Amino acid sequence: GDSVTQMEGPVTLSEEAFLTINCTYTATGYPSLFWYVQYPGEGLQLLLKATKADDKGSNKGFEATYRKETTSFHLEKGSVQVSDSAVYFCALSVPLTGRRALTFGSGTRLQVQP
Amino acid sequence: KAGVTQTPRYLIKTRGQQVTLSCSPISGHRSVSWYQQTPGQGLQFLFEYFSETQRNKGNFPGRFSGRQFSNSRSEMNVSTLELGDSALYLCASSFPRTSGGRSENEQFFGPGTRLTVL
Repeated sequence: GDSVTQMEGPVTLSEEAFLTINCTYTATGYPSLFWYVQYPGEGLQLLLKATKADDKGSNKGFEATYRKETTSFHLEKGSVQVSDSAVYFCALSVPLTGRRALTFGSGTRLQVQP
Repeated sequence: KAGVTQTPRYLIKTRGQQVTLSCSPISGHRSVSWYQQTPGQGLQFLFEYFSETQRNKGNFPGRFSGRQFSNSRSEMNVSTLELGDSALYLCASSFPRTSGGRSENEQFFGPGTRLTVL
């Protein structure tokens, strides 16, 4: 079945540090890939997405590139801020095959210190 | 455009009771999905409704059920509550469309309902 593997957290960084959160996936078919962010006490917000190989999703300084050859979708940001502290989830769906439900990774907690 | 709304936001029940949660999707969205979030199991898919029909179902017991109304609002029901049902229940809506020959499924989440079973 489909699965998503994320790096274990928490990830603790100082403000303005470079961020990478690794995400790899297994899926039958051609998945769409997503990064969601969850702030304390809130639901999930879509951060960025990519729907085909080599697509780069970007939003609010975050980027991720759909790498089909390595089945990866790593999240990066050049300079994190305290306000980026949250839990980040990598997810996939395979809508063309009818598997529209999102399959999530376990989440990575990011803590940014001033 | 208003986002996905869920009611109630917090709920406390006791074992054996039943509970109904409500979700109003973004205006124009016809698909509603439900997810359960727990510290141990993470985010797990419950079911998806589209045009009042259940299209997909996750691996949950029959105590978990749902429905969708003609205005796309959805409810989920959990009967005979167990302690392990304590979780954050998230609803997501989407407007399935095709772009560039590929089907897209961007889902927008509500704030969730925090259910505590005592």
